[in-house]
Amino acid sequence: GAGVSQSPRYKVTKRGQDVALRCDPISGHVSLYWYRQALGQGPEFLTYFNYEAQQDKSGLPNDRFSAERPEGSISTLTIQRTEQRDSAMYRCASSPKGLAGGRTDTQYFGPGTRLTVL
Amino acid sequence: SQQGEEDPQALSIQEGENATMNCSYKTSINNLQWYRQNSGRGLVHLILIRSNEREKHSGRLRVTLDTSKKSSSLLITASRAADTASYFCATPTGFQKLVFGTGTRLLVSP
Repeated sequence: GAGVSQSPRYKVTKRGQDVALRCDPISGHVSLYWYRQALGQGPEFLTYFNYEAQQDKSGLPNDRFSAERPEGSISTLTIQRTEQRDSAMYRCASSPKGLAGGRTDTQYFGPGTRLTVL
Repeated sequence: SQQGEEDPQALSIQEGENATMNCSYKTSINNLQWYRQNSGRGLVHLILIRSNEREKHSGRLRVTLDTSKKSSSLLITASRAADTASYFCATPTGFQKLVFGTGTRLLVSP
């Protein structure tokens, strides 16, 4: 079946503009995660959804970053008033189980969106 | 912040050789997972080892876990050029969020 998809794959924007990154998880997956990955580093957690509920947003760096998953499927990560330091690869992942699944759920990652802020 | 660190940061070997990379982590864990990231592609889950397991195999992969030393190792046997990638260890914390290490870049030359 289809994996996790993300769009756009590449986004170049000017400082101060807002951007919206989309994630389409694997159908039926309960959990959805957003990560950010700087060049040469491992991914860093941003936020987590269980169905449509945002259960953990502790990794969002500041209030310019927000995420939603209104119907428990597709999710959007929005960055307002982008800054150059926001440039990174933004990765989305989904997993089949929710909170009841414990910590052994495999996360399936999408190809990522490469964001460049000029 | 990164939970763990992989060692070495980079590894270059010839096809057919074995590759070993290590991961150290800081806090108690329920399990530890290894992921591979190819150039231009997403992260792919390789293997999960639970905290009560000491060793696990999957094809040419062998993972060990030493919870007393808070370390894990990933061994790839009979490496192939297609194994060239970055390898990350990751541990789940909180609501299943994964905390990744810094990664080992593996280059396998033909």
